[in-house]
Amino acid sequence: GQSLEQPSEVTAVEGAIVQINCTYQTSGFYGLSWYQQHDGGAPTFLSYNGLDGLEETGRFSSFLSRSDSYGYLLLQELQMKDSASYFCAWNTGGFKTIFGAGTRLFVKA
Amino acid sequence: DAGVTQSPTHLIKTRGQQVTLRCSPKSGHDTVSWYQQALGQGPQFIFQYYEEEERQRGNFPDRFSGHQFPNYSSELNVNALLLGDSALYLCASSSRQLMNTEAFFGQGTRLTVV
Repeated sequence: GQSLEQPSEVTAVEGAIVQINCTYQTSGFYGLSWYQQHDGGAPTFLSYNGLDGLEETGRFSSFLSRSDSYGYLLLQELQMKDSASYFCAWNTGGFKTIFGAGTRLFVKA
Repeated sequence: DAGVTQSPTHLIKTRGQQVTLRCSPKSGHDTVSWYQQALGQGPQFIFQYYEEEERQRGNFPDRFSGHQFPNYSSELNVNALLLGDSALYLCASSSRQLMNTEAFFGQGTRLTVV
């Protein structure tokens, strides 16, 4: 089967660092994407890992290990506005992108 | 650039009715994917259109169908609506040339079936 597993909820304080993990069991794996979705909003693209290693974009970084079927999103210097749902998504490189169930991040003052 | 636009934003339908949702992709994108998102869940892949053909389909019944037009815009049709079809329907556009690695989403259509 094909599945992506991520924690349902994570809570952290403002200014801290948080890591959201994603493990996957898929076939035809091409890469792993991350999306952010605020309540009532549309998912917005954060990052994509097509190769193993770390991709950094400002306060956000994403990591992929194909051998471990594992990736994570790292958020640094957390801000209240980072409170949202975060989805990892498996990309087949073709015509399908499958989303995980999402991790709800709560940032506390 | 208007980004991805969807219409309508909200819709209320009765069980058994049919509905058509519309999507205009971001300029320069040639691929449109449709997702269903229930409250508190991740987007569920319905299908993807490229070059006016359905290229891949998720685990959705034939009541869900779609179309892509020469200008890359797309429609999602749902027949014989069920209460369980109530959800946010998201359209995402991407570029086949970039292997659809980055998708841009519209704000969605909130469908309520009563």
